[in-house]
Amino acid sequence: GAVVSQHPSRVICKSGTSVKIECRSLDFQATTMFWYRQFPKQSLMLMATSNEGSKATYEQGVEKDKFLINHASLTLSTLTVTSAHPEDSSFYICSASGGRDQPQHFGDGTRLSIL
Amino acid sequence: GQQVMQIPQYQHVQEGEDFTTYCNSSTTLSNIQWYKQRPGGHPVFLIQLVKSGEVKKQKRLTFQFGEAKKNSSLHITATQTTDVGTYFCVLGVGNFNKFYFGSGTKLNVKP
Repeated sequence: GAVVSQHPSRVICKSGTSVKIECRSLDFQATTMFWYRQFPKQSLMLMATSNEGSKATYEQGVEKDKFLINHASLTLSTLTVTSAHPEDSSFYICSASGGRDQPQHFGDGTRLSIL
Repeated sequence: GQQVMQIPQYQHVQEGEDFTTYCNSSTTLSNIQWYKQRPGGHPVFLIQLVKSGEVKKQKRLTFQFGEAKKNSSLHITATQTTDVGTYFCVLGVGNFNKFYFGSGTKLNVKP
């Protein structure tokens, strides 16, 4: 149980393109979803926390207009990287939690490459 | 953001040797979680500690939460090659609504 599906798994696109990444909890209701960014050989950096039906809470230094997060239902959150540039190239990974005291379940991540 | 120190950064052990990773926070925590990430994979939940001084065991893994709720450790007894991966402590801050990953300890086990 507790499966989180994230797609696409890999995106390669031109600079200036907007890219949408989906994160779905398949067999449980995710009251909270988290979006992370992971650089090579480094830890996961929390970008934002989103609760269903409310605005996402962004971490310091993360531009909310650059990284648009929507959590419209208890099973789906999306991250849109707007007007992506090469410096946005990274591994983005989402997680979902069924509520307070519950562990995070991670998707398989999306490797974004901006040319 | 939250200051999270995890040591060591890397650990190479011979199969059968023990392994410990430590996690230290600059502030008092609500809870701490531990995750394992295999190469090329996503983090997988191992355990959550909530109470001061709590100790939990999972087979060869022992997890401990400090009395002051500012530090934690993960100890693996008699490592096996299947233990290879990066172990992250994840600090819970506030009312379970923010989680910060430690820097991770990459474990390599030589057969």
